[in-house]
Amino acid sequence: GAVVSQHPSWVICKSGTSVKIECRSLDFQATTMFWYRQFPKQSLMLMATSNEGSKATYEQGVEKDKFLINHASLTLSTLTVTSAHPEDSSFYICSARVQGGTYEQYFGPGTRLTVT
Amino acid sequence: AQKITQTQPGMFVQEKEAVTLDCTYDTSDQSYGLFWYKQPSSGEMIFLIYQGSYDEQNATEGRYSLNFQKARKSANLVISASQLGDSAMYFCAMGPDSWGKLQFGAGTQVVVTP
Repeated sequence: GAVVSQHPSWVICKSGTSVKIECRSLDFQATTMFWYRQFPKQSLMLMATSNEGSKATYEQGVEKDKFLINHASLTLSTLTVTSAHPEDSSFYICSARVQGGTYEQYFGPGTRLTVT
Repeated sequence: AQKITQTQPGMFVQEKEAVTLDCTYDTSDQSYGLFWYKQPSSGEMIFLIYQGSYDEQNATEGRYSLNFQKARKSANLVISASQLGDSAMYFCAMGPDSWGKLQFGAGTQVVVTP
């Protein structure tokens, strides 16, 4: 149990276009989902916390107008990178907390975004 | 503020040997958790082990054990009998905080050699 999926697993887009990444909890309900960004050989950097039915909370320095997060249901959160540029190329990972759970947090497999 | 420090950027270990990955932390919270995750080259984050701050015994999960020394604020991961498949990046993390967030260390790259 406790599986989180991400779609797509990789995406290539042209500069100036927008791309949407989905994060789904497949067999549990997640009140909170987190979006991370990771550059090669570096640690995970938390971008935002997404709560079902409310606005996402962004970490300092993360542009909320560029990285749009929508947590439409207890099993789905989406991250949209708007007007993507090459510097947005990165590995994006989501994680989800089990509703009513304690410390458990489950990670998706990640999405590799390349902006050309 | 919470802080996690992993001072070993990379390590080589021979197959079948044990390896210890260092992790120190700093927090003013009384209740917290410490996690270790493995990230192979595929990128997925694999949960390895968890230690709660009030747990009196060190956590163990198969070949993984967490050497928790609360007074020294350290939570080292010990991998026994290393296997080639253990080659990966290993992250120590602390949390969750009141918002559910985890704080990650910089990671240690482990390479297991035959």
